Amino acid sequence: DAKTTQPPSMDCAEGRAANLPCNHSTISGNEYVYWYRQIHSQGPQYIIHGLKNNETNEMASLIITEDRKSSTLILPHATLRDTAVYYCIALSGSGANNLFFGTGTRLTVIP
Amino acid sequence: NAGVTQTPKFQVLKTGQSMTLQCAQDMNHEYMSWYRQDPGMGLRLIHYSVGAGITDQGEVPNGYNVSRSTTEDFPLRLLSAAPSQTSVYFCASSYRVSRGTEAFFGQGTRLTVV
Repeated sequence: DAKTTQPPSMDCAEGRAANLPCNHSTISGNEYVYWYRQIHSQGPQYIIHGLKNNETNEMASLIITEDRKSSTLILPHATLRDTAVYYCIALSGSGANNLFFGTGTRLTVIP
Repeated sequence: NAGVTQTPKFQVLKTGQSMTLQCAQDMNHEYMSWYRQDPGMGLRLIHYSVGAGITDQGEVPNGYNVSRSTTEDFPLRLLSAAPSQTSVYFCASSYRVSRGTEAFFGQGTRLTVV
């Protein structure tokens, strides 16, 4: 599975869009990009995933560049409850569903 | 529908003691796994299972045993606890083994070995 690189921390004003970048320059054609978040020390929570196309769900949007070497997770209207560590993970579409977590981006939403 | 349930939530062990961390899911998921998370770190995979009777090692398997006798349960055993095993342990499950399925995590077991 490809290695991902994320900034260690980011701040975002409450009510504004939070844009979290992820670099995955060695991603292969069958690897999905997944995003999870961990609030305080709770279990990680799935947010969204995608392969090639941009994706949107009730929580967030995922924008994947055309060359698939990077992506951005967008929380359209950040709230204080979105303060968490966000993990970007590249996962093969075949084989076991083993997630390899890095250290993620700590997002702090500021009132 | 309880999701993924881990017990106990907190545990203190003495060095050399053994214990089993329990994990159960009620979603009929094929795939289950155990992770540990040390302070300030991301989660690291200990063991995983792609179905009843099938288990395999992850990134940091030493000192831990697992078995999967049923679809629902995936216990993690520490045979002889060491202070280096002080960590937060998370169990996860997902419906399919692969191809774009989301993982559901339990709330964790906080283990301290003294």
